[in-house]
Amino acid sequence: EAQVTQNPRYLITVTGKKLTVTCSQNMNHEYMSWYRQDPGLGLRQIYYSMNVEVTDKGDVPEGYKVSRKEKRNFPLILESPSPNQTSLYFCASSPGLAGGRTETQYFGPGTRLLVL
Amino acid sequence: LAKTTQPISMDSYEGQEVNITCSHNNIATNDYITWYQQFPSQGPRFIIQGYKTKVTNEVASLFIPADRKSSTLSLPRVSLSDTAVYYCLVGDIGSGAGSYQLTFGKGTKLSVIP
Repeated sequence: EAQVTQNPRYLITVTGKKLTVTCSQNMNHEYMSWYRQDPGLGLRQIYYSMNVEVTDKGDVPEGYKVSRKEKRNFPLILESPSPNQTSLYFCASSPGLAGGRTETQYFGPGTRLLVL
Repeated sequence: LAKTTQPISMDSYEGQEVNITCSHNNIATNDYITWYQQFPSQGPRFIIQGYKTKVTNEVASLFIPADRKSSTLSLPRVSLSDTAVYYCLVGDIGSGAGSYQLTFGKGTKLSVIP
């Protein structure tokens, strides 16, 4: 089944404790992206990746890191989480250039993060 | 980057047609317009995509005027299960000429009333 998976789905942590949220897709998509969603602010893009070893900042990259060492995986890293990073996070993937003209993104189920 | 503006919320009765308009005044030549639907605690789901004129699929229709500065998502005969947030997205990550950064607006919360 074609899908985007995220782990963990729920996470409670404390300020300053490094964490990683994994994202994996099995559709051989080139484009992957991370979003955070907060009440009243909609979806905001954190980072995106056009392909392996190619990443770039979205609208709200501060406090986050990403890596794209393999095509299928795009982990989101919070080196020193703070309470303002409490949010619902979504990973998404898209065919991108290889799939032709489309911005159709496939979203993961979301990761709800609480930073105390 | 093309910024989008949508109404914050809309209410509709079951069985009615709903039209949600999105403004994107600075849309670029290579940008496509895509609409997503999101239910609470789920990731957004693709509904429809278009470049100009009209596009229709089994779920919705998308109307885009000649100047492409706005678009209207039309949902025929809505039901309670259509209660969701609808996002308009303008961007281009397929042609190789776009910025690849995609910006969602705040979405329109549609509430369908029995």
